[in-house]
Amino acid sequence: RKEVEQDPGPFNVPEGATVAFNCTYSNSASQSFFWYRQDCRKEPKLLMSVYSSGNEDGRFTAQLNRASQYISLLIRDSKLSDSATYLCVVTGYSTLTFGKGTMLLVSP
Amino acid sequence: SQTIHQWPATLVQPVGSPLSLECTVEGTSNPNLYWYRQAAGRGLQLLFYSVGIGQISSEVPQNLSASRPQDRQFILSSKKLLLSDSGFYLCAWSGQVNEKLFFGSGTQLSVL
Repeated sequence: RKEVEQDPGPFNVPEGATVAFNCTYSNSASQSFFWYRQDCRKEPKLLMSVYSSGNEDGRFTAQLNRASQYISLLIRDSKLSDSATYLCVVTGYSTLTFGKGTMLLVSP
Repeated sequence: SQTIHQWPATLVQPVGSPLSLECTVEGTSNPNLYWYRQAAGRGLQLLFYSVGIGQISSEVPQNLSASRPQDRQFILSSKKLLLSDSGFYLCAWSGQVNEKLFFGSGTQLSVL
């Protein structure tokens, strides 16, 4: 099993739609979880941390399920500017482990 | 506030030529520093990380090397580039190990 797995997509959604991504991880000892956003040919940027109780930041909601070892990202009311690749990040044994990302394409 | 600078933004080099990419961090002391590579259509691969001056950990065997001559300076080098070294190179820093990372703007390296 890969350390961090994501559906590569692309997820094609219209503006205003709600879309959700999941990410599974293999290291049950992982303590910290993050979602990053990466635009084409740009550096990844931190979108949000993921807390055990779940957390929300505007249109974005992140959740953690330790029992099933997955985290999720929900985007409500999608905007054209949300088009990007979303990277799931999990603490590994000594460094962070990045998923390969899920591509989101929001169309008018 | 903390900032991270990475240069150059793009680089085209012939096979067999040397490489030196530099990264500096401002606004923090004793950061953990990282070099990642992202090949086209692939995920981020950790190449090196450093928890202090002169302390370098290598994650994958390759013809690249890293050095940390100063607290907030991290350098990625190669004596002879290979075609397979092409990719998007990213420097990053964190305050502690396994904390969130902040990335530089990246260097797109094309080895021809």
